[in-house]
Amino acid sequence: DQQVKQNSPSLSVQEGRISILNCDYTNSMFDYFLWYKKYPAEGPTFLISISSIKDKNEDGRFTVFLNKSAKHLSLHIVPSQPGDSAVYFCAASAASGAGSYQLTFGKGTKLSVIP
Amino acid sequence: EAGVAQSPRYKIIEKRQSVAFWCNPISGHATLYWYQQILGQGPKLLIQFQNNGVVDDSQLPKDRFSAERLKGVDSTLKIQPAKLEDSAVYLCASSGTGIEQYFGPGTRLTVT
Repeated sequence: DQQVKQNSPSLSVQEGRISILNCDYTNSMFDYFLWYKKYPAEGPTFLISISSIKDKNEDGRFTVFLNKSAKHLSLHIVPSQPGDSAVYFCAASAASGAGSYQLTFGKGTKLSVIP
Repeated sequence: EAGVAQSPRYKIIEKRQSVAFWCNPISGHATLYWYQQILGQGPKLLIQFQNNGVVDDSQLPKDRFSAERLKGVDSTLKIQPAKLEDSAVYLCASSGTGIEQYFGPGTRLTVT
Protein backbone atom coordinates (compact mmCIF):
# COMPACT_ATOMS: atom_id res chain seq x y z
CA ASP A 1 0.00 0.00 0.00
CA GLN A 2 1.71 3.14 -1.25
CA GLN A 3 0.87 6.01 1.08
CA VAL A 4 2.76 8.66 -0.91
CA LYS A 5 2.34 8.63 -4.67
CA GLN A 6 4.18 10.49 -7.39
CA ASN A 7 2.36 9.43 -10.52
CA SER A 8 4.68 11.07 -13.04
CA PRO A 9 7.98 9.16 -13.34
CA SER A 10 9.47 11.91 -15.49
CA LEU A 11 8.95 15.49 -16.59
CA SER A 12 10.70 17.61 -19.22
CA VAL A 13 10.59 21.39 -19.11
CA GLN A 14 12.22 24.14 -21.12
CA GLU A 15 14.74 26.34 -19.28
CA GLY A 16 13.08 29.46 -17.89
CA ARG A 17 9.60 27.90 -17.77
CA ILE A 18 7.74 26.61 -14.73
CA SER A 19 8.19 23.04 -13.47
CA ILE A 20 5.29 21.55 -11.53
CA LEU A 21 5.82 18.28 -9.68
CA ASN A 22 2.84 16.58 -8.07
CA CYS A 23 2.37 14.31 -5.09
CA ASP A 24 -0.68 12.62 -3.56
CA TYR A 25 -0.99 10.95 -0.18
CA THR A 26 -3.52 8.72 1.51
CA ASN A 27 -2.69 8.82 5.22
CA SER A 28 -4.59 11.54 7.09
CA MET A 29 -2.10 11.30 9.97
CA PHE A 30 0.65 12.92 7.92
CA ASP A 31 1.23 16.39 9.30
CA TYR A 32 4.36 17.60 7.56
CA PHE A 33 5.49 17.31 3.96
CA LEU A 34 8.95 17.64 2.48
CA TRP A 35 10.57 17.69 -0.93
CA TYR A 36 14.00 16.27 -1.54
CA LYS A 37 16.20 16.57 -4.61
CA LYS A 38 18.60 13.81 -5.61
CA TYR A 39 21.47 13.91 -8.07
CA PRO A 40 23.02 10.64 -9.35
CA ALA A 41 25.43 8.98 -6.91
CA GLU A 42 24.47 11.41 -4.12
CA GLY A 43 22.10 11.20 -1.21
CA PRO A 44 18.79 13.10 -1.22
CA THR A 45 19.09 16.79 -0.30
CA PHE A 46 16.36 18.57 1.61
CA LEU A 47 14.73 21.27 -0.50
CA ILE A 48 11.59 22.69 1.10
CA SER A 49 8.84 21.65 3.49
CA ILE A 50 5.34 22.59 4.54
CA SER A 51 3.32 22.03 7.67
CA SER A 52 -0.24 20.76 7.39
CA ILE A 53 -1.50 23.99 8.99
CA LYS A 54 -0.33 25.98 5.96
CA ASP A 55 -1.30 25.85 2.30
CA LYS A 56 1.77 27.48 0.80
CA ASN A 57 5.47 27.86 1.54
CA GLU A 58 7.95 29.72 -0.59
CA ASP A 59 11.75 29.69 -0.73
CA GLY A 60 13.31 31.56 -3.60
CA ARG A 61 12.42 29.83 -6.86
CA PHE A 62 10.69 26.97 -5.04
CA THR A 63 7.10 27.02 -3.79
CA VAL A 64 5.17 24.14 -2.29
CA PHE A 65 1.37 24.12 -2.26
CA LEU A 66 -0.71 21.87 -0.03
CA ASN A 67 -4.36 20.98 -0.58
CA LYS A 68 -5.37 18.97 2.50
CA SER A 69 -8.89 18.23 1.39
CA ALA A 70 -7.57 16.68 -1.81
CA LYS A 71 -4.55 15.14 -0.05
CA HIS A 72 -2.39 16.67 -2.74
CA LEU A 73 0.75 18.76 -2.81
CA SER A 74 2.82 20.24 -5.57
CA LEU A 75 6.25 21.76 -5.98
CA HIS A 76 6.63 24.69 -8.36
CA ILE A 77 10.04 25.73 -9.65
CA VAL A 78 10.14 29.12 -11.37
CA PRO A 79 12.14 29.75 -13.45
CA SER A 80 13.52 26.28 -14.12
CA GLN A 81 17.27 26.01 -14.65
CA PRO A 82 19.39 23.18 -16.12
CA GLY A 83 20.91 22.62 -12.66
CA ASP A 84 17.45 21.69 -11.41
CA SER A 85 17.62 18.47 -13.44
CA ALA A 86 17.43 15.74 -10.81
CA VAL A 87 15.03 13.26 -9.24
CA TYR A 88 12.58 14.89 -6.86
CA PHE A 89 11.10 12.93 -3.99
CA CYS A 90 7.99 13.87 -2.08
CA ALA A 91 8.00 12.73 1.55
CA ALA A 92 5.41 12.84 4.29
CA SER A 93 6.05 12.80 8.01
CA ALA A 94 4.22 11.45 11.01
CA ALA A 95 5.35 11.39 14.62
CA SER A 96 7.00 8.12 15.62
CA GLY A 97 7.22 8.63 19.34
CA ALA A 98 9.90 9.99 21.65
CA GLY A 99 9.67 13.34 19.83
CA SER A 100 11.02 11.93 16.57
CA TYR A 101 9.48 11.55 13.14
CA GLN A 102 9.46 9.12 10.25
CA LEU A 103 9.37 9.92 6.56
CA THR A 104 7.46 7.98 3.93
CA PHE A 105 8.73 8.64 0.43
CA GLY A 106 7.16 8.55 -3.00
CA LYS A 107 8.92 6.87 -5.92
CA GLY A 108 10.26 10.14 -7.29
CA THR A 109 9.89 12.21 -10.45
CA LYS A 110 12.85 12.73 -12.74
CA LEU A 111 12.93 16.35 -13.89
CA SER A 112 14.88 17.28 -17.01
CA VAL A 113 15.32 20.97 -17.75
CA ILE A 114 16.23 21.49 -21.37
CA PRO A 115 18.52 24.45 -22.16
CA GLU B 1 29.29 21.78 9.47
CA ALA B 2 30.23 18.33 8.21
CA GLY B 3 27.46 16.26 6.67
CA VAL B 4 26.52 12.64 7.18
CA ALA B 5 29.43 10.37 6.30
CA GLN B 6 29.04 6.84 4.98
CA SER B 7 31.47 4.14 3.92
CA PRO B 8 32.11 2.31 1.78
CA ARG B 9 30.55 4.05 -1.21
CA TYR B 10 30.36 0.90 -3.28
CA LYS B 11 30.44 -2.79 -2.43
CA ILE B 12 30.12 -5.91 -4.57
CA ILE B 13 29.65 -9.27 -2.85
CA GLU B 14 28.41 -12.72 -3.74
CA LYS B 15 25.15 -14.03 -2.36
CA ARG B 16 25.41 -15.64 1.07
CA GLN B 17 28.39 -13.43 1.98
CA SER B 18 28.18 -10.82 4.71
CA VAL B 19 28.65 -7.05 4.45
CA ALA B 20 28.72 -4.10 6.83
CA PHE B 21 28.06 -0.41 6.28
CA TRP B 22 29.18 2.44 8.50
CA CYS B 23 27.56 5.81 9.16
CA ASN B 24 28.68 8.88 11.08
CA PRO B 25 25.80 11.36 11.54
CA ILE B 26 25.93 15.13 11.77
CA SER B 27 27.44 16.14 15.10
CA GLY B 28 24.78 16.60 17.76
CA HIS B 29 22.00 14.82 15.88
CA ALA B 30 20.29 12.42 18.25
CA THR B 31 18.22 10.55 15.68
CA LEU B 32 19.74 8.27 13.06
CA TYR B 33 17.98 6.38 10.28
CA TRP B 34 18.93 3.63 7.85
CA TYR B 35 17.06 3.42 4.57
CA GLN B 36 17.11 0.98 1.69
CA GLN B 37 16.54 2.42 -1.78
CA ILE B 38 15.92 -0.07 -4.55
CA LEU B 39 16.34 1.17 -8.12
CA GLY B 40 13.26 3.11 -9.24
CA GLN B 41 11.82 3.38 -5.73
CA GLY B 42 11.90 5.92 -2.96
CA PRO B 43 13.94 5.30 0.20
CA LYS B 44 12.32 2.82 2.57
CA LEU B 45 13.03 3.07 6.30
CA LEU B 46 14.76 0.05 7.81
CA ILE B 47 15.53 1.22 11.34
CA GLN B 48 15.43 4.38 13.43
CA PHE B 49 17.61 5.11 16.46
CA GLN B 50 17.14 7.81 19.08
CA ASN B 51 20.54 8.21 20.71
CA ASN B 52 21.60 4.56 21.11
CA GLY B 53 18.10 3.12 21.51
CA VAL B 54 15.92 1.65 18.75
CA VAL B 55 12.72 3.62 18.08
CA ASP B 56 11.43 1.49 15.20
CA ASP B 57 12.85 -1.56 13.46
CA SER B 58 9.55 -2.98 12.21
CA GLN B 59 10.70 -3.02 8.58
CA LEU B 60 14.14 -4.50 9.23
CA PRO B 61 14.42 -8.14 8.01
CA LYS B 62 15.83 -9.32 11.30
CA ASP B 63 16.71 -12.79 10.09
CA ARG B 64 19.55 -11.31 8.04
CA PHE B 65 19.86 -7.61 8.88
CA SER B 66 21.19 -6.13 12.10
CA ALA B 67 22.12 -2.63 13.16
CA GLU B 68 23.66 -0.99 16.16
CA ARG B 69 24.49 2.48 17.33
CA LEU B 70 27.05 2.31 20.06
CA LYS B 71 27.50 5.37 22.29
CA GLY B 72 24.72 7.16 20.41
CA VAL B 73 26.96 8.38 17.59
CA ASP B 74 28.24 6.11 14.79
CA SER B 75 26.14 3.27 13.49
CA THR B 76 26.73 0.08 11.52
CA LEU B 77 24.26 -1.90 9.43
CA LYS B 78 25.08 -5.53 8.67
CA ILE B 79 23.63 -8.05 6.26
CA GLN B 80 24.39 -11.72 6.80
CA PRO B 81 23.85 -13.67 4.61
CA ALA B 82 23.13 -11.41 1.63
CA LYS B 83 20.56 -12.26 -1.03
CA LEU B 84 20.29 -11.03 -4.59
CA GLU B 85 17.27 -8.88 -3.67
CA ASP B 86 19.42 -6.93 -1.18
CA SER B 87 21.06 -5.12 -4.09
CA ALA B 88 20.21 -1.48 -3.41
CA VAL B 89 21.58 1.81 -2.15
CA TYR B 90 21.73 1.97 1.64
CA LEU B 91 21.25 5.48 2.92
CA CYS B 92 21.97 6.82 6.37
CA ALA B 93 20.26 9.99 7.58
CA SER B 94 20.25 11.99 10.78
CA SER B 95 18.06 14.64 12.31
CA GLY B 96 18.24 17.04 15.21
CA THR B 97 15.28 18.77 16.79
CA GLY B 98 13.58 19.50 13.45
CA ILE B 99 11.68 17.19 11.16
CA GLU B 100 14.12 17.49 8.27
CA GLN B 101 16.44 14.55 7.81
CA TYR B 102 19.89 14.96 6.31
CA PHE B 103 21.22 12.15 4.17
CA GLY B 104 24.66 10.77 3.50
CA PRO B 105 25.84 9.83 -0.01
CA GLY B 106 24.80 6.20 0.42
CA THR B 107 26.45 2.84 -0.16
CA ARG B 108 25.60 1.08 -3.41
CA LEU B 109 25.50 -2.67 -2.77
CA THR B 110 25.53 -5.18 -5.59
CA VAL B 111 24.93 -8.83 -4.72
CA THR B 112 25.91 -11.29 -7.47
